[in-house]
Amino acid sequence: QKEVEQDPGPLSVPEGAIVSLNCTYSNSAFQYFMWYRQYSRKGPELLMYTYSSGNKEDGRFTAQVDKSSKYISLFIRDSQPSDSATYLCAMSEHNFNKFYFGSGTKLNVKP
Amino acid sequence: SAVISQKPSRDICQRGTSLTIQCQVDSQVTMMFWYRQQPGQSLTLIATANQGSEATYESGFVIDKFPISRPNLTFSTLTVSNMSPEDSSIYLCSVGNPARQANEAFFGQGTRLTVV
Repeated sequence: QKEVEQDPGPLSVPEGAIVSLNCTYSNSAFQYFMWYRQYSRKGPELLMYTYSSGNKEDGRFTAQVDKSSKYISLFIRDSQPSDSATYLCAMSEHNFNKFYFGSGTKLNVKP
Repeated sequence: SAVISQKPSRDICQRGTSLTIQCQVDSQVTMMFWYRQQPGQSLTLIATANQGSEATYESGFVIDKFPISRPNLTFSTLTVSNMSPEDSSIYLCSVGNPARQANEAFFGQGTRLTVV
């Protein structure tokens, strides 16, 4: 079993839709949870960073962590074609510790 | 955030040869990380490079195959040695947030390697 599971997609939505991206994990020791966005032929770009359970909002993006279910989500409101990219979840046990990445979900927002 | 320059951005290499990838950061960082991203797969950590000490390799990666240098706090190199087609992948350099020292990783653009 992989440490982190993520549906690879692709996920195709119309512009303006609410997008929900999810990851599940098996290691209950994970405390730090990150979402990265990766455009084609580019390195991953940090979008959201949360510690432990709860929600965090930044503009159109909301990250949720449910440690009891070992489940994290990224919501994108009012999705735009520029949001079309691969979204990677990542997590770690300790601060500055090894990151475990999901395989990424490819999102396509159609105009 | 840190600005990370990675060279080369891409290369096509013959099997049996070696390629050295360079990573330059615009600020001093304690820890630098090298990842591999194979098509359709997640990023896999190869090793952690600390200045002034030997790199720490993850399970499945060895120094003879992926020697790493870390001569100072802003620079590191990863060499992919004796390459085979299975080494075709994207190699990424990553650093922590030098301003906050928090658990946030920033990535270079990556080196797209094709071994023929």
